[in-house]
Amino acid sequence: NAGVTQTPKFRVLKTGQSMTLLCAQDMNHEYMYWYRQDPGMGLRLIHYSVGEGTTAKGEVPDGYNVSRLKKQNFLLGLESAAPSQTSVYFCAITTGGREQYFGPGTRLTVT
Amino acid sequence: SQQGEEDPQALSIQEGENATMNCSYKTSINNLQWYRQNSGRGLVHLILIRSNEREKHSGRLRVTLDTSKKSSSLLITASRAADTASYFCATDSSWYGQNFVFGPGTRLSVLP
Repeated sequence: NAGVTQTPKFRVLKTGQSMTLLCAQDMNHEYMYWYRQDPGMGLRLIHYSVGEGTTAKGEVPDGYNVSRLKKQNFLLGLESAAPSQTSVYFCAITTGGREQYFGPGTRLTVT
Repeated sequence: SQQGEEDPQALSIQEGENATMNCSYKTSINNLQWYRQNSGRGLVHLILIRSNEREKHSGRLRVTLDTSKKSSSLLITASRAADTASYFCATDSSWYGQNFVFGPGTRLSVLP
């Protein structure tokens, strides 16, 4: 997936716990994105970043925070996990040609 | 609401047949893209067609775009079992940053 990695691959949380998902790219792209994918649905944009130090809200930002302190890394945080946040989370970058490349995903279960 | 909507939701064909999937969208776009997702994996970019293009080919893939009807189609010719996957269209409505919107996808099953 063109050098986009995600950590961890799987995680189980209890309601109210917090966690951080890490997305890393080994290229030099400005734009990075966090999506969630629920069964039978397409991807929904949570937050995105157009460069180091910048973040913006997507379609479904509630309950999540993000940070882009380094250009290569985009962090997604859940401060107080809820069962509704059970999902598969994908990170992506956009090339200059506007194609998106995705990481392998993080499967999160909140009990 | 979703910008892109794929049709059909599911498609089952025999190996060697052609598979056609359609995508409709609602607002003006800069480009439209198709992605493939194998079960449990990330999405893989297949092809991008810009708003001023009508047709594009890549190997066994053929994509058409009709901006007057706000629709696109993806044709996979001579399908193989390895083409079994979900296929998503995504519309790009921004010159920078975000506004990629994905449809719910078409699940394609190619039977050997």
